[in-house]
Amino acid sequence: ETGVTQTPRHLVMGMTNKKSLKCEQHLGHNAMYWYKQSAKKPLELMFVYNFKEQTENNSVPSRFSPECPNSSHLFLHLHTLQPEDSALYLCASSQVAQTYNSPLHFGNGTRLTVT
Amino acid sequence: KNEVEQSPQNLTAQEGEFITINCSYSVGISALHWLQQHPGGGIVSLFMLSSGKKKHGRLIATINIQEKHSSLHITASHPRDSAVYICAVRFRSGSARQLTFGSGTQLTVLP
Repeated sequence: ETGVTQTPRHLVMGMTNKKSLKCEQHLGHNAMYWYKQSAKKPLELMFVYNFKEQTENNSVPSRFSPECPNSSHLFLHLHTLQPEDSALYLCASSQVAQTYNSPLHFGNGTRLTVT
Repeated sequence: KNEVEQSPQNLTAQEGEFITINCSYSVGISALHWLQQHPGGGIVSLFMLSSGKKKHGRLIATINIQEKHSSLHITASHPRDSAVYICAVRFRSGSARQLTFGSGTQLTVLP
């Protein structure tokens, strides 16, 4: 148990569907992150939220829309995705956003397949 | 350019062997992380280093700031150590706040 819970674990969706990924952390952290991990590639940062405010959008296409209603919850809304968006989507949290001494705590990820 | 290189890409060992995974980076950093990713996908943070050496159980992480190099060692390896080990660094320059990740080392420990 990492203290960061992601749902669902697996998701298959068509290109015209709308779905959402959910992340919840029980660690009292103030920063939350979305990462994308495609096959055979390093993790890529997508979004960072610090105290509910978005501080990083790493040139992510608008078909991915994050939402952070409070410091404990983070969503990733998906709309009209492409097959190349199939990947493992990982949520993480840390005490403060991206400071050198603030380790990340990851969830188990959502394995997304776009058909 | 801020880069992180890991080696080897794949590693197979017999149970009980001493294992070393290497990570090199291109420019100065403020911190280096070693992470473990199991087949299910979840990632666990093993170490965060800015200098010297850290030990936790059978795992040892070292970093040489001058040579821009870190190693993760596993002593008395066990099949349950089979996972992907990922090095990530926070560079001092450029997009300094973001972690840059290596491509990972797939470790398989055979019984």
